[in-house]
Amino acid sequence: DQQVKQNSPSLSVQEGRISILNCDYTNSMFDYFLWYKKYPAEGPTFLISISSIKDKNEDGRFTVFLNKSAKHLSLHIVPSQPGDSAVYFCAARNRGYNKLIFGAGTRLAVHP
Amino acid sequence: GAVVSQHPSWVICKSGTSVKIECRSLDFQATTMFWYRQFPKQSLMLMATSNEGSKATYEQGVEKDKFLINHASLTLSTLTVTSAHPEDSSFYICSAAVAVGLAGSKETQYFGPGTRLLVL
Repeated sequence: DQQVKQNSPSLSVQEGRISILNCDYTNSMFDYFLWYKKYPAEGPTFLISISSIKDKNEDGRFTVFLNKSAKHLSLHIVPSQPGDSAVYFCAARNRGYNKLIFGAGTRLAVHP
Repeated sequence: GAVVSQHPSWVICKSGTSVKIECRSLDFQATTMFWYRQFPKQSLMLMATSNEGSKATYEQGVEKDKFLINHASLTLSTLTVTSAHPEDSSFYICSAAVAVGLAGSKETQYFGPGTRLLVL
């Protein structure tokens, strides 16, 4: 049973435009959400996170939105750059635990 | 800060041999270390959680006798794949966690660069 779902396996965006990556979850006990970026044959690198008590967190070109009622979060990248091309993983943490549950990832390709 | 290393970065071995992968937190002490594996084009699947000085907690479906985890210190955890078979070929990633994010950050898990294992 997938508790964290990223239903779009891939996304292609033109440079300079907005990239929107989506993530849905089923467990209402998740209290913290994170986005990671991953290149092939490398470990994930942390991008941005959001606590369940907030609905938005912004860091430079990256903004994460959380809709608790819909159990949905999204990562917005604007403007998108070719260097943003990578696989993006959404992860959620259960309240009181340090364990992360990852989505399947979305491969973002930013083209000129 | 918050650097996690893994060694080796890649390894090729014959079927039936054992392979040890090291995970080190270089500039902080990790209360917990996690081991993940990732098959091509799939998500990171948590294999086990290890705390220093205690037995690892394995996720459902992960054979504890096949994937031996030793967490000898707050900066070192090892994963040994015993009697490796071709189906064990995968990308293994560790992460080191602290109770509260370093430098006030909200990130509590720091990932290593991964180890690619190919079993022939």
